[in-house]
Amino acid sequence: AQKITQTQPGMFVQEKEAVTLDCTYDTSDPSYGLFWYKQPSSGEMIFLIYQGSYDQQNATEGRYSLNFQKARKSANLVISASQLGDSAMYFCAMREGSSGTYKYIFGTGTRLKVLA
Amino acid sequence: DTGVSQDPRHKITKRGQNVTFRCDPISEHNRLYWYRQTLGQGPEFLTYFQNEAQLEKSRLLSDRFSAERPKGSFSTLEIQRTEQGDSAMYLCASSLEYRREGPGELFFGEGSRLTVL
Repeated sequence: AQKITQTQPGMFVQEKEAVTLDCTYDTSDPSYGLFWYKQPSSGEMIFLIYQGSYDQQNATEGRYSLNFQKARKSANLVISASQLGDSAMYFCAMREGSSGTYKYIFGTGTRLKVLA
Repeated sequence: DTGVSQDPRHKITKRGQNVTFRCDPISEHNRLYWYRQTLGQGPEFLTYFQNEAQLEKSRLLSDRFSAERPKGSFSTLEIQRTEQGDSAMYLCASSLEYRREGPGELFFGEGSRLTVL
């Protein structure tokens, strides 16, 4: 069964510093996608970055990068040059694909607080 | 199209009443998902549709929950005989089939917050 684990309930980072949010996953499907979402206090879920299981390179989107270690089944999000507006909940999610269903499951999230 | 819209945004009801939420997805998206989120937790999968077909429903979902997507457009989520434990944010999301275009990320609505007294 697919599972996403985020072991850091909360993280603090100084403004302009980099921070890594951990995510490990479990699946037996060779084809899957990994996603990170940001949920500010206003509540909307914002898509940040995607990594496909067959992608050879780590995904990057502006200040976001995904440290994908397939053998370890980890997909950590790295935020560089943190800004006060990065304070939010961050969720890792996975979608399996080979089985013909396209269910997305989410981790429990990490609350990030950026300090001025 | 401005995104996924959900209605109502807030609903307060008494235990035992029925409630219905509506979701209008992004018009070209063929997949539609319902999730439930409680405070401090991640979204919990409830069910999803591809066009009008309901392809999967969470085993955690009791028979009091039902969802429809007539004609493959908007969707409704009905909760019958509400209980206090049903109090949560109900999130709707839609996506394109990922092989066609892009990674198939979910686009979320702003959610419908349910409070059961």
